[in-house]
Amino acid sequence: AQKVTQAQTEISVVEKEDVTLDCVYETRDTTYYLFWYKQPPSGELVFLIRRNSFDEQNEISGRYSWNFQKSTSSFNFTITASQVVDSAVYFCALSAGTSGSARQLTFGSGTQLTVLP
Amino acid sequence: NAGVTQTPKFQVLKTGQSMTLQCAQDMNHEYMSWYRQDPGMGLRLIHYSVGAGITDQGEVPNGYNVSRSTTEDFPLRLLSAAPSQTSVYFCASSYLGRISEAFFGQGTRLTVV
Repeated sequence: AQKVTQAQTEISVVEKEDVTLDCVYETRDTTYYLFWYKQPPSGELVFLIRRNSFDEQNEISGRYSWNFQKSTSSFNFTITASQVVDSAVYFCALSAGTSGSARQLTFGSGTQLTVLP
Repeated sequence: NAGVTQTPKFQVLKTGQSMTLQCAQDMNHEYMSWYRQDPGMGLRLIHYSVGAGITDQGEVPNGYNVSRSTTEDFPLRLLSAAPSQTSVYFCASSYLGRISEAFFGQGTRLTVV
């Protein structure tokens, strides 16, 4: 069985601060995919990143960066110089033992990020 | 680009009523699924389908039925609504057999009174 833990239920920061959202996963499969989704107040789910279990390179996209560490089963997400528009619920998700498509995703419980002006 | 379209966006049902949540995608994705989102629990998989005519249960299937007669459509049926089914429902689709993320619909907020 798969499990994703997002221990931080709510985080509040002041604009321009850096913030890291934690994600710890459990799976017995050697092939798996990890995802981050953003859910703004409007409610839709916005895809942010996908990472497979064979690629431990960190990734940076603008103010967003992701740190994947298989040794600690973690896939953490950092927002640099946060902005009010970053306020949202962020979900980490896992798809294991598949061909790579986002099948049967196991989601964490989400982290509510509030960025104050 | 329509992507994944869910209808309705909001619905209020009385206990015992039945209804169908519609989901359609225009990306020719083989894989479709339904999730429910409850406070503090993230999204949980209800049912999924790997192609027309093939469906299977997810983590929380009780009280729901699905069918997949076409690649595009994957409706979710509530047979006899219960207050415990009050939730936000998301339909998702993705490619099968190659690297893909899941594309989600806008969600349906269902309240059962």
